Amino acid sequence: QVHLVQSGSEVKKPGASVKVSCRASGYTFSTYDIHWVRQAAGQGLEWMGWLNPNSANTGYARNFRGRVTLTRNSSISTAYMELSSLRSGDTAVYYCAVADFVNWGQGTQVTVSS
Amino acid sequence: DIQMTQSPSSLSASVGDRVTITCRASQTISRYLNWYQQKPGKAPKVLISAASNLQSGVPSRFSGSGSGTDFTLTISSLQPEDVATFYCQQTYSTPYSFGQGTKLEIK
Repeated sequence: QVHLVQSGSEVKKPGASVKVSCRASGYTFSTYDIHWVRQAAGQGLEWMGWLNPNSANTGYARNFRGRVTLTRNSSISTAYMELSSLRSGDTAVYYCAVADFVNWGQGTQVTVSS
Repeated sequence: DIQMTQSPSSLSASVGDRVTITCRASQTISRYLNWYQQKPGKAPKVLISAASNLQSGVPSRFSGSGSGTDFTLTISSLQPEDVATFYCQQTYSTPYSFGQGTKLEIK
């Protein structure tokens, strides 16, 4: 079955960058677009962008354009989300999701603090 | 961008009650609408896709309806384990926006 495993928690200083990984198993990696969603504590879900693992085409939400980069390494079935110029408002749990959002990773806590 | 508006934002009901949550899109999204249940500390779990398709393993007390701009999630008989926050999401066009959520509690 589809399984997504994300990298562990991160603590970063304002202005730094963070790169979160999402390792997929249980299906052919090229089959599904990979989406990234974040959720600040006590807040709702915010869609960040998507990556087509075949073509590496991407699309980003307006709020993140210019700060987020989605990439993949198909040889190890892993997708990456890099967010730059971090600020306190980026403190959140970051999720990857595939198969039209049926399957989700466990989430990665990113904390931005000086 | 398409805005998704859920109501109510919170809801308290008794075990066995019929519960309805609504979601309205700012423009037509056909039936490109997912419903999620999220429990504290967990990733969202999709209950309904394409407005009314019940996902495998989801109890039949959950159902979805609607098309165009207006959608409904119904729990036919509320159970204690249904306590959670529920979200709708449109997957008609990017950005794939979510509703603000409905927090469901037991009275």
